[in-house]
Amino acid sequence: DQQVKQNSPSLSVQEGRISILNCDYTNSMFDYFLWYKKYPAEGPTFLISISSIKDKNEDGRFTVFLNKSAKHLSLHIVPSQPGDSAVYFCAASGSQGGSEKLVFGKGTKLTVNP
Amino acid sequence: DARVTQTPRHKVTEMGQEVTMRCQPILGHNTVFWYRQTMMQGLELLAYFRNRAPLDDSGMPKDRFSAEMPDATLATLKIQPSEPRDSAVYFCASGRYGTGDTEAFFGQGTRLTVV
Repeated sequence: DQQVKQNSPSLSVQEGRISILNCDYTNSMFDYFLWYKKYPAEGPTFLISISSIKDKNEDGRFTVFLNKSAKHLSLHIVPSQPGDSAVYFCAASGSQGGSEKLVFGKGTKLTVNP
Repeated sequence: DARVTQTPRHKVTEMGQEVTMRCQPILGHNTVFWYRQTMMQGLELLAYFRNRAPLDDSGMPKDRFSAEMPDATLATLKIQPSEPRDSAVYFCASGRYGTGDTEAFFGQGTRLTVV
């Protein structure tokens, strides 16, 4: 039973356009959410996070939106760049980041075409 | 530049052999995770430690897998005996939880192939 779901295995966008990656979760105890980016042959690297007390967090070109009632979060990348091409993992944990046990989705492979 | 170090980066072994993967967490981090990445399951948590004590290993097949932290600078994941279905990339990650920090830092992984 997957608690964190990324239903789109892949996404392709044009350089300069917006990329929107989606993530759904089922466990209402999750209260902290993270996005990781992974390049081939490397480990995942932390990108951005959001606490359940917020509905938006922005860091440069990256913005994460959280809709708690829908148990849904999304990552927006604007503008998209070819270097953003990677696999993006959504993750969730059970207490304000001070806990552990990050539960990951299966990832979405983003391709940004020049 | 602090980073999580995993060895070996690649391992090919025959079915039935013992495999040991090692991880050096970032100095000062109090939590160490072992994850496994497969195409079918994505990133699965196998086990994690806080201050070297195991907190949860429910994701790990107990009959063949074992995880330990002999000291604060070394975490090990052992498979004995290995099976072809264990072929995957194994990631170690560390974090400084309980201090306001929020993310785990991953190593580059060990790609295991069991033939």
